[in-house]
Amino acid sequence: EIVLTQSPATLSLSPGEGATLSCRASQSISSYLAWYQQKPGQAPRLLIYDASNRATGIPVRFSGSGSGTDFTLTISSLEPEDFAVYYCQQRSNWPRTFGQGTKVEIK
Amino acid sequence: EVQLVESGGGLVQPGGSLRLSCAASGFTFNNYEMNWVRQAPGKGLEWVSYISSSGSTIYYADSVKGRFTISRDNAKNSLYLQMNSLKAEDTAVYYCARDQYYGSGNFNCWGQGTLVTVSS
Repeated sequence: EIVLTQSPATLSLSPGEGATLSCRASQSISSYLAWYQQKPGQAPRLLIYDASNRATGIPVRFSGSGSGTDFTLTISSLEPEDFAVYYCQQRSNWPRTFGQGTKVEIK
Repeated sequence: EVQLVESGGGLVQPGGSLRLSCAASGFTFNNYEMNWVRQAPGKGLEWVSYISSSGSTIYYADSVKGRFTISRDNAKNSLYLQMNSLKAEDTAVYYCARDQYYGSGNFNCWGQGTLVTVSS
């Protein structure tokens, strides 16, 4: 099973600041990584797929990069609605696995 | 509008059974692979099971293998999860999630979730 490790666990930032979230895979997953955003009481929302492709309707301030084992989700300038938990997920192997999440909170 | 609506959650005793349903609308259901993903209270996301568009290919997480059965009825635009021998650690919100496109393995459409509580 591929283990995804996200860091940091919590990121405390102010609106307007940039955010950098990391996801590391226990083995190479090529570019088969997605990022999701989840707000309290809501289902997750797909943000980025295949490491760097924005899903439909996702603002350009969200970007993804990386390949192999190291991946990054960048939010260029945090909007109030961006404070949430973010998960990475791999589709390289079965079982599909998620990272443990990074909470982006208001400082 | 693409929509997934789960139902069937509730309180069940350890060792009991429950069947979850997911009603799909707004898209051609039989063209899409489907999944169940769960989230224990206050915890992260855990993928549970996958079924191909025809139902011929199925995968499970090790944590549920042998106890849960995924199925679908394309004529009824519905996805199911039969859960047997339930344990306390199966307590979670269960989401049905649609693959973004054939073979994508990304989930771009989610239901609102249904809560399953396993407790005596």
